[in-house]
Amino acid sequence: AQSVAQPEDQVNVAEGNPLTVKCTYSVSGNPYLFWYVQYPNRGLQFLLKYITGDNLVKGSYGFEAEFNKSQTSFHLKKPSALVSDSALYFCAVRGPNTNAGKSTFGDGTTLTVKP
Amino acid sequence: DTAVSQTPKYLVTQMGNDKSIKCEQNLGHDTMYWYKQDSKKFLKIMFSYNNKELIINETVPNRFSPKSPDKAHLNLHINSLELGDSAVYFCASSQAGVVFFGPGTRLTVL
Repeated sequence: AQSVAQPEDQVNVAEGNPLTVKCTYSVSGNPYLFWYVQYPNRGLQFLLKYITGDNLVKGSYGFEAEFNKSQTSFHLKKPSALVSDSALYFCAVRGPNTNAGKSTFGDGTTLTVKP
Repeated sequence: DTAVSQTPKYLVTQMGNDKSIKCEQNLGHDTMYWYKQDSKKFLKIMFSYNNKELIINETVPNRFSPKSPDKAHLNLHINSLELGDSAVYFCASSQAGVVFFGPGTRLTVL
């Protein structure tokens, strides 16, 4: 079975500071890893993914994530946070042979960026 | 616009009623889903369809019945609504592992 853990319910940072939202995963085989963002009263939007290749992947809105196989982690990062980054962030994982591409989502981390 | 769309956006109804939510995607994806997001924002998959065929049914009560008339549509019908069904329901489709979500339908059962 595949699973995702987002150990922090809430992350608070000041605008302009770097931010990290943590994610660890468990899956059989090589993981496919994703980050999504959900703004209030909206559906989730894809931010970035790791499937293979460079461990550091870059995505939308200046976000990046680092795949660490030994620590089974895929933390989301941004060098300089904006107030508009405040949202709910979900990490997701699926295995290479997962039925019909089913991804398992973490419980979400609420990011609050204060001016 | 290319997207996943669903209607209605809001649904308020009494316990015991039957309601439907419609979903359409014009992204050309083969796989579609229904997800439920509860009041704590936890997101759980309910169903997955691939080319109109049911692939995943995550132990959802029989009162929930998805229907896929073609691979661009996946509708959700709910019978005998209960208070615990109150949630936001997201339709989605996927390509190369990336899931594209609709805007959600907020269902409130009174």
